[in-house]
This record gives sequence, C-alpha cells and structure tokens, in this order.
Amino acid sequence: QVQLQQWGAGLLKPSETLSLTCAVYGGSFSGYYWSWIRQPPGKGLEWIGEINHSGSTNYNPSLKSRVTISVDTSKNQFSLKLSSVTAADTAVYYCARGPRIAVAGTNRYYYYGMDVWGQGTTVTVSS
Amino acid sequence: QSVLTQPPSVSAAPGQKVTISCSGSSSNIGNNYVSWYQQLPGTAPKLLIYENNKRPSGIPDRFSGSKSGTSATLGITGLQTGDEADYYCGTWDSSLSAGGVFGGGTKLTVL
Repeated sequence: QVQLQQWGAGLLKPSETLSLTCAVYGGSFSGYYWSWIRQPPGKGLEWIGEINHSGSTNYNPSLKSRVTISVDTSKNQFSLKLSSVTAADTAVYYCARGPRIAVAGTNRYYYYGMDVWGQGTTVTVSS
Repeated sequence: QSVLTQPPSVSAAPGQKVTISCSGSSSNIGNNYVSWYQQLPGTAPKLLIYENNKRPSGIPDRFSGSKSGTSATLGITGLQTGDEADYYCGTWDSSLSAGGVFGGGTKLTVL
C-alpha cells in the first residue's frame, strides 16, 4: 500500500523560499506523475504542479515563475520549492500521487485523479 | 475563480439522495476524465471517483459519478451524517496552459 510522508518548514517570512519534500513508500515511483496541491485557509484546492520519474514537469501557469518541482528517484522522493513567498502563499500544502498515470506499456499519460495523498503541511508566511 | 464550476453548497436529509454538479469546457471536462474528492474537516482529500465513474477499492456504491459533454455529476444515495464534507471535482485542462484543475468545492450538509 502506497503511503506519502511529507515534511518541510512551516513558518516563513515574506520573500523567503518555501521548501517541502514528499517521500513515497510501498510502491513504484515510475508510471505516475506526482503532484503538489495547496489549500489556503477556508478556500478550495489549487493544483501547483506535477513531476514524473524522468523529471518531466508541468506547472500551474499562475505559479510557474516561482515554482520548481524536482525528483530524487534514488530516494523515491519529490520536492517543491516556491520562491518569493507572500502572505497569499499561506496554505496547507499536500503531495499526492497523480493526477496522471501512464498507459500500460507506453510513455503516454492520461488523467485519472489523485488517489494517494500526504498528510499535509501547514505553511504560514508572516513577518 | 475556479476553472470548473460547482454549487457552493447542497443539503439533504439523512437517507435521501443528493447530486453535485461540475461544469467545465471542451478543453477540460469535454476531453478528459473527471475525478471527485471528499474532504472531511481537517483532513486530506480522499479520492471518491476516478475516470468519470469508477470507485476506488473501499468506496461504497452509494457514491457514483457520471459525465456528459462538458459537465459531470457526483451522486450520493442513502445520505449519512458522516457524508457531511466538502466535495471537489477535478480534471485535466488541455489548453495551452495544460494542467490539473479543480472545482471550487461544494459543502454538503446532511440536515
């Protein structure tokens, strides 16, 4: 059974860089994209971006200029960096498996959803 | 403003049925699978429906999904007080700025 465990700094000052890591336990890293999602207090879910085992990424256009998602396949981990944070970046950040999965035997991916989620990390940006 | 449109809230009595709609466009719902998530207070979202109408192992058949054109619907029958939660739809947007998108969420109240 696949499990995700995430960690990172929970309190940042404006202009600092948010850094979170998510470890994948109990399953294959390949064949999926792996995502970061955030949820500001009292608001809905926002997809930040995704990465696969080869390092191919896609980012939310609204955050693309500040986001970097990377992968370390030797450790089955992927990470999020968000630069120049402001109070608007205060949110619970989640890692998840998905939303895209490889078509069996190919390098093509299709959307199926996010079926495994990390526990969430509360990140607060305050001076 | 979310790419996918959901009603902010729905309500129904225990035992009744409720549906939650999710409206999009040809660049997202119209050409991609839809997934649905349940988020109980203070917890991470949980996948309820994937590929429009499939349920992961462990999800009761009281939950169902459907898609028609550029809209999708989540149905919940035999409502229980434990179903009171926020529900989100999600899909992929295949426009120039391709990526994952969510609806704004719907708060289900079981009266």
